[in-house]
Amino acid sequence: GESVGLHLPTLSVQEGDNSIINCAYSNSASDYFIWYKQESGKGPQFIIDIRSNMDKRQGQRVTVLLNKTVKHLSLQIAATQPGDSAVYFCAEKPGNNAGNMLTFGGGTRLMVKP
Amino acid sequence: DGGITQSPKYLFRKEGQNVTLSCEQNLNHDAMYWYRQDPGQGLRLIYYSQIVNDFQKGDIAEGYSVSREKKESFPLTVTSAQKNPTAFYLCASRSQVGDFNQPQHFGDGTRLSIL
Repeated sequence: GESVGLHLPTLSVQEGDNSIINCAYSNSASDYFIWYKQESGKGPQFIIDIRSNMDKRQGQRVTVLLNKTVKHLSLQIAATQPGDSAVYFCAEKPGNNAGNMLTFGGGTRLMVKP
Repeated sequence: DGGITQSPKYLFRKEGQNVTLSCEQNLNHDAMYWYRQDPGQGLRLIYYSQIVNDFQKGDIAEGYSVSREKKESFPLTVTSAQKNPTAFYLCASRSQVGDFNQPQHFGDGTRLSIL
């Protein structure tokens, strides 16, 4: 989910379980969405993207689902591993956007318990 | 190998001092971006550039300046007018070849603190 101030929402899962991280986006005109993973002290790392003409896209161990009706995006991670522990951000790109700028959500911290 | 290099990793600023953060990319990307990240928050856009010798203000440009004299370089200056500069600064770049819908790729950031 979205962050509130300094306190990131945290999702704690057991190693091997599936994780679902949610994001509510703001702009109904957004046509492109991206999930990023950020480890402590590093920059965001691209995970997967999806265009607004799709509702599902799969990568290696990750799936992104897009529900444009309720403006909701989710990231599913299969068989979560300790290396998946990080902060996950969603980003949206409004379609009428000359600079192709992104708007970022506040992030969700994923903690994987061994 | 290709990527985005930000330097220095840590930077300290004295009162009244301007400091410049470096961002270099060898990905041949036309577009480059600067973001500020505060603890527990998402990224906010400071400046962006879609082509050499051109740049645009983002949402929080006050107290910052940039230049884009070369395609591979997009330095950010944090001026003394920025009263709350302590943050993690991230540089990103993006290809503009073909499809507009391509992700931005990030460097590993510079952490700026006030002495």
